[in-house]
Amino acid sequence: DAEITQSPRHKITETGRQVTLACHQTWNHNNMFWYRQDLGHGLRLIHYSYGVQDTNKGEVSDGYSVSRSNTEDLPLTLESAASSQTSVYFCASSEGQRETQYFGPGTRLLVL
Amino acid sequence: GQSLEQPSEVTAVEGAIVQINCTYQTSGFYGLSWYQQHDGGAPTFLSYNALDGLEETGRFSSFLSRSDSYGYLLLQELQMKDSASYFCARLTRDYKLSFGAGTTVTVRA
Repeated sequence: DAEITQSPRHKITETGRQVTLACHQTWNHNNMFWYRQDLGHGLRLIHYSYGVQDTNKGEVSDGYSVSRSNTEDLPLTLESAASSQTSVYFCASSEGQRETQYFGPGTRLLVL
Repeated sequence: GQSLEQPSEVTAVEGAIVQINCTYQTSGFYGLSWYQQHDGGAPTFLSYNALDGLEETGRFSSFLSRSDSYGYLLLQELQMKDSASYFCARLTRDYKLSFGAGTTVTVRA
C-alpha cells in the first residue's frame, strides 16, 4: 500500500547541531509539505515543493531548509538547532485534488 | 498569524450533535478543508468545500458560505471515538493550506 513515512519518530539534539528529518512517500505525489505543530498554533507551514528541484518558503521558514532531488523524498534540515524549534514536525503530500493532504506520523524533536 | 478562527474546546455527550464554526480571511481563498487529529496522531482529511452549501460524508457534514467567510463542521450521533482535535484549513489559490488553531472535542458518556 502507498504510504508516507517519517524518520526518526523521536529525536533529541543539542542547540547548534544540524538535524535532518526525513520524509518519504510512495504515492508518487508531486506536492510535498513540511509543517510544525505547537500548542495553540495548529499546523504552520515551513517549506513546500511542487515537484523535483522546486522548493518554496512557508510562513515559518527561518532556520529551516529543504531540497527535492526526487519525487519520493523531501528532507527537512535545521541548520543550527534552537530551543524554539522544539516541536512536532509533520510531512504531508498531495496530488490532483490538492485540498486533500496525506500526513505522515510525525517526528517529535526536542532541542536542549 | 492566524487567518482562521475556531473555538478552542467543545464538550458534548454521546449521541449528541456538535457544530464547530470557522471564520476565515478571504484573501486568496479557494476552499475550506477540515481535518481530524487524535492525540499523538497524524491529521487526517475529513471534508472539503469549494462552493457554498453542505457536503455530507456519513455522520460528518461540512458547510460553507463564501459571502459570510464562514464554514462549519457538523458531527452527528457523536461517539467516544470522535474525541479529537478538529482543524479547519483554508486552501489558497496557490494550493497551500493554512490551518486554524484547532477545536478539541471531548465526548462524554
